[in-house]
Amino acid sequence: DADVTQTPRNRITKTGKRIMLECSQTKGHDRMYWYRQDPGLGLRLIYYSFDVKDINKGEISDGYSVSRQAQAKFSLSLESAIPNQTALYFCATSDGIGELFFGEGSRLTVL
Amino acid sequence: DAKTTQPPSMDCAEGRAANLPCNHSTISGNEYVYWYRQIHSQGPQYIIHGLKNNETNEMASLIITEDRKSSTLILPHATLRDTAVYYCIVRVPVSYGQNFVFGPGTRLSVLP
Repeated sequence: DADVTQTPRNRITKTGKRIMLECSQTKGHDRMYWYRQDPGLGLRLIYYSFDVKDINKGEISDGYSVSRQAQAKFSLSLESAIPNQTALYFCATSDGIGELFFGEGSRLTVL
Repeated sequence: DAKTTQPPSMDCAEGRAANLPCNHSTISGNEYVYWYRQIHSQGPQYIIHGLKNNETNEMASLIITEDRKSSTLILPHATLRDTAVYYCIVRVPVSYGQNFVFGPGTRLSVLP
């Protein structure tokens, strides 16, 4: 089983719909992140959390919200999806010392 | 976070060494250099990181200049599976203020 699991892996939805992307990890890490990737670009940070009671905005948090339900779970929500939120979304975890561990990504298409 | 500059793309012949450069002229004394790669649309994968000494692991070597303003990731014997986008990042480990900032990276194509 993957250390960082994202669901769903692919989702097609319509403008205005509420969407939730879920992330769970078995690494035991305190830090979790949500990134967005658009074609040909690097990853941009949406939100991050350093523990269950800590939520921080990244560089592109507008239009998104998150919930850290437990140490192992970090969900990303789009309250009212719009087409320019079509992207590949990655969840990641870290122990804060070294590397990031990424999930396999969730591809979201908003029509 | 210090900004990094990488060439947008590079080619390398299979079996040869791939040398990927990164400029980070504004790096501060306590910032490390990290390298990640992303194969197709998979999640990025950690490769290596270092502070000022050269580092080597089973995947690659990292050469950091003495003034720390630039570094080179070396894949000693590139294979077709090394075709990916490579990201160079600088940041302070165990930091509550800094995060990993991914630029566009270098797209490495390993050619048969």
